[in-house]
Amino acid sequence: EVQLVQSGAEVKKPGESLKISCKGSGYSFTSYWIGWVRQMPGKGLEWMGIIYPGDSDTRYSPSFQGQVTISADKSISTAYLQWSSLKASDTAMYYCARGVVPGSPTWFDPWGQGTLVTVSS
Amino acid sequence: DIQMTQSPSSLSASVGDRVTITCQASQDISNYLNWYQQKPGKAPKLLIYDASNLETGVPSRFSGSGSGTDFTFTISSLQPEDIATYYCQQYDNLPLFGGGTKVEIK
Repeated sequence: EVQLVQSGAEVKKPGESLKISCKGSGYSFTSYWIGWVRQMPGKGLEWMGIIYPGDSDTRYSPSFQGQVTISADKSISTAYLQWSSLKASDTAMYYCARGVVPGSPTWFDPWGQGTLVTVSS
Repeated sequence: DIQMTQSPSSLSASVGDRVTITCQASQDISNYLNWYQQKPGKAPKLLIYDASNLETGVPSRFSGSGSGTDFTFTISSLQPEDIATYYCQQYDNLPLFGGGTKVEIK
C-alpha cells in the first residue's frame, strides 16, 4: 500500500526553527514528486512547493520562496519542510502529497495525514 | 503567473440536487486540471484528474469537463456524504489550487 506518514504536531515559539517530515512507503520514493501544502485555520489549500527526490529538483511557489526549505533524504524515503525562524502566521496544518504519475508533478494522491504546527509565544 | 478563479465560494443544495462548480484559469492550461474533495478535519482526496477522468473508486455521480480556460465539476445527485469543500488544481508548471467551494446541505 502506498502511504505517506507525517511527523506529529508541533508547538513552537516565534523565532524558533522547525523541520517536519513525510515518510513514503510502498513505492519507489525516488520516482515520484512530493508536494507540500499549507492550510491555515479555516482557510483554503495553498501549494508551497514540490520536490523530486530522484535528483532533488525543487520548485517553490512564489509566496513561499525564501520562507521555507523543502528537502528529501532518499536513503530513508523521507521529505522535509523546514523553517529557520517561525512566525505566528506559520500556524497551520501542513500536508504532504505524492504525485501520481512517475516523474511528473500533475495530480497528487495519496496525501499524508497532516502535521499541525502552532506558533505562539 | 496563472491564476485560478473558482466559483461559487459556497453553495447550499438539497439532497438529490445537481451541483455545479466552475474553475477558470487566467490562461490556457489545456486539460491540466484536477478536482479534490476535502471533508472537515481530513486530508484532501483526489476525485478527477486531467479535467474529466474519474479516479478509481470515486462514485460516478462526480464528473468533470472542460479544457483551455474553463472547467466544470458536477455532482449529479448530491448525497449527505458529499458535504465537503471542493478544490480545483492546475499543474502547468507549479501546482496551484483554486479558492475552494464549500458545499452544504439545505
